[in-house]
Amino acid sequence: RKEVEQDPGPFNVPEGATVAFNCTYSNSASQSFFWYRQDCRKEPKLLMSVYSSGNEDGRFTAQLNRASQYISLLIRDSKLSDSATYLCVVESGGSYIPTFGRGTSLIVHP
Amino acid sequence: DVKVTQSSRYLVKRTGEKVFLECVQDMDHENMFWYRQDPGLGLRLIYFSYDVKMKEKGDIPEGYSVSREKKERFSLILESASTNQTSMYLCASSTGRSSNQPQHFGDGTRLSIL
Repeated sequence: RKEVEQDPGPFNVPEGATVAFNCTYSNSASQSFFWYRQDCRKEPKLLMSVYSSGNEDGRFTAQLNRASQYISLLIRDSKLSDSATYLCVVESGGSYIPTFGRGTSLIVHP
Repeated sequence: DVKVTQSSRYLVKRTGEKVFLECVQDMDHENMFWYRQDPGLGLRLIYFSYDVKMKEKGDIPEGYSVSREKKERFSLILESASTNQTSMYLCASSTGRSSNQPQHFGDGTRLSIL
């Protein structure tokens, strides 16, 4: 079983739609969680950290479910510019080495 | 803002050549990482370093070596380049040895081995 799993998609949604991605992780000792965004042929960029209490940044909401070992990313009112690959990143306590999921592709169309 | 700079955006080399990829960060980060990214395989960790002159193997170190003589610079070396090392190479850095510190990436180097 992969340590960090994501549905590769693509998720194809119209502008204005709400879309959600999940990411499951296998190591119950995982401590830190992040979502990154990667545009085509560019480097990954931090989108947001995921806190135990959940967090929101504008149209983006991230949540952590430790019992079921997954994190989620919700995007409201999708924009064309949200089209990208979203990478889930999990870091286990004590290792400081993050594990990346393979990413979920989002395509927002007019 | 953290700045991670990779020496080349695009590089073309020949089989058997020794190839150097350079990465510099300007935020005094302790941790530095080298990844390669290939379609369908995601990011794979080649080597990482927690401190000057310190290095640890990642998941796919074969065919690569690294050097960290100064805190701000982490070099990836392909000892004898092969065509299966054609890939996008990404350098990243992060601060300290505490958790919940995200990585910051350079722009990447697209390396082609002919």
